[in-house]
Amino acid sequence: GEDVEQSLFLSVREGDSSVINCTYTDSSSTYLYWYKQEPGAGLQLLTYIFSNMDMKQDQRLTVLLNKKDKHLSLRIADTQTGDSAIYFCAESITDKLIFGTGTRLQVFP
Amino acid sequence: KAGVTQTPRYLIKTRGQQVTLSCSPISGHRSVSWYQQTPGQGLQFLFEYFSETQRNKGNFPGRFSGRQFSNSRSEMNVSTLELGDSALYLCASSSTGGIGELFFGEGSRLTVL
Repeated sequence: GEDVEQSLFLSVREGDSSVINCTYTDSSSTYLYWYKQEPGAGLQLLTYIFSNMDMKQDQRLTVLLNKKDKHLSLRIADTQTGDSAIYFCAESITDKLIFGTGTRLQVFP
Repeated sequence: KAGVTQTPRYLIKTRGQQVTLSCSPISGHRSVSWYQQTPGQGLQFLFEYFSETQRNKGNFPGRFSGRQFSNSRSEMNVSTLELGDSALYLCASSSTGGIGELFFGEGSRLTVL
């Protein structure tokens, strides 16, 4: 099937690290993505990882991929209030992206 | 350059009516994808067009249709609207299609009464 699962909510204190988890189903996915959606806006690509990589770091963002368990995570270091948004992971399957249900990240002072 | 533009941004329809939504992709992008976003189902893939041809289709009934014009602009149509069609419809464009960065518009929010 084409199910990408995420937990629905995550609440963290400003300055802490956030870890958003995702499990996907298709082991043939070439790329896996993280998108961010702010209120009233469309989705914006944050980062992506090629399926033959284990980790990718981009400033405050770290993506970890466990291909054996089909598990993807996004770590945001030093989380700020501006990071409050919905985060979607997505896998690429035959020229289309399948998105997870999204994780709403709330950052409190 | 201009981003992805969707019109209208908001609309209200009643059951049984039909609706047409429009999407203008980023200049030079030939792929346009449509997604339905609802609180309960998240983002569901509707279809993707590339150079006027539908390349991929999601699991939606035939009431949902789309097309793409020679200038890459795309429209989607929903006929015989149902209450469950209330959603945010997002359009995304890319230069290549699914394997590549998608650039999303702000969406068209449809409410069916």
